[in-house]
Amino acid sequence: DAGVTQSPTHLIKTRGQQVTLRCSPKSGHDTVSWYQQALGQGPQFIFQYYEEEERQRGNFPDRFSGHQFPNYSSELNVNALLLGDSALYLCASNPTGPYEQYFGPGTRLTVT
Amino acid sequence: GNSVTQMEGPVTLSEEAFLTINCTYTATGYPSLFWYVQYPGEGLQLLLKATKADDKGSNKGFEATYRKETTSFHLEKGSVQVSDSAVYFCALYYSGYSTLTFGKGTMLLVSP
Repeated sequence: DAGVTQSPTHLIKTRGQQVTLRCSPKSGHDTVSWYQQALGQGPQFIFQYYEEEERQRGNFPDRFSGHQFPNYSSELNVNALLLGDSALYLCASNPTGPYEQYFGPGTRLTVT
Repeated sequence: GNSVTQMEGPVTLSEEAFLTINCTYTATGYPSLFWYVQYPGEGLQLLLKATKADDKGSNKGFEATYRKETTSFHLEKGSVQVSDSAVYFCALYYSGYSTLTFGKGTMLLVSP
């Protein structure tokens, strides 16, 4: 059983560009959450998707947007990239309800 | 709002030493508490959890007890190994928000 998978593993972008990160949840999981982990910090919640809709959102600007597809996979889009967006982006999934979240290996985004 | 405070690292120990990493939390209601571990270059792995007061979570020799009276969830291990070197994150999950709130992480370095 594959766990949570994310692509790409690493990404380098230039300020002002746009980026799309992808996540496939663990089998049987229908809820996907995205977190941003800056260097030396704990993960910060960006948003959560369930039934193809954004259910919760953390304190991130509208430049951060997402999508969930009918097969429960998800995308994170970031527009107008800033140097401060450089971070490890983690995707987590869980089944419906208050269950622990399982994390993917992350996508390392570097903005130059 | 909800928050988690962890002791700052790095924590440097010799193999077979006793480990304690302190974690305290602030939350409305009764959250579930977690310890996650992050090995270099990897995503987060759930280490252990506790869902109600006085519960003890345990895994791979690590233990933590949910203390409601002191709002704490300290991580302990009786004898650390070099392979335990990693960053440890304390986190809380409050069902009202359906998301995880993380501490900043504590790096553990174990030398032979």
